[in-house]
Amino acid sequence: EIVLTQSPGTLSFSPGERATLSCRTSQSVISKYLAWYQQKPGQAPRLLIYAASNRATGIPDRFSGSAFGTDFTLTISRLEPEDFAVYYCQYYGRPALYTFGQGTKVEI
Amino acid sequence: QVQLQESGPGLVEPSGTLSLTCAVSGGSISSGGWWSWVRQSPGKGLEWIGEVYHSGSANYNPSLRSRVTISVDTSNDHFSLRLSAVTAADTAIYYCATDGIGGYNLGYWGRGTLVTVSS
Repeated sequence: EIVLTQSPGTLSFSPGERATLSCRTSQSVISKYLAWYQQKPGQAPRLLIYAASNRATGIPDRFSGSAFGTDFTLTISRLEPEDFAVYYCQYYGRPALYTFGQGTKVEI
Repeated sequence: QVQLQESGPGLVEPSGTLSLTCAVSGGSISSGGWWSWVRQSPGKGLEWIGEVYHSGSANYNPSLRSRVTISVDTSNDHFSLRLSAVTAADTAIYYCATDGIGGYNLGYWGRGTLVTVSS
C-alpha cells in the first residue's frame, strides 16, 4: 500500500513569494498516477495538477508540478492572495484506488 | 462541463444507514467514466469511499467495503451511496466526484453535504 507523506503540515508565506510543497511516496510509483488538489474553506477540492506535471483546465501557469523518484513537488511561483489554502496530493492505485496525503496548509 | 450535486439527510442515527444521492448534469453517466464518493471528517483529510461505473460495476475502499454499497441509475443520471451501521466516526462532509482529464484523478466534484451521525 502506497503512503503519501506531505510535510510540513503548515507553511507560512507572504504574497508574491515562491512556495514549494512536498509529497513523498512510500515506494516508487508511476508519475501519471499522481495529482494535486487545492481546497479552500467550505469548498470542494479542485484539481490543479494531473500526471505529476500537467496543469488541469483553467489552472494558472504559476502552478507547476514535478517529480524526482519518490518525491513529488507542487510549486507556486508567485503566491496570490487566493492561493492561501490547503493542498493535497493524491495517488491512484490499489488497494484504495484514490489515496490522499494529509495535506499542507499554505498560510500567510 | 459536468456538474454534480449531492442530496440526502443531514442527520443519521447511530447504527443506522447513511444514504446519499448524486445528481449528474452537463453530461451523462452512460457516456462513461467512473463515479466516486469521497468523504472528509471535520478538520481532517480526504478519504475515498468507492466508485461505480455506468454498468453497475463498483470498487470500494477495503476499509469500508463491508458497509458500503454504491449504485447507479443511468436513466435518471444519478448515483447513490449507502453506508450501513454508522457511528460518530462516519460524521463527515460527503462529496461525489468523477474522473478528470487524463484519468487517475478526480477532476469534477460536487459541493459536498455534511452528514452528522447522532441520536
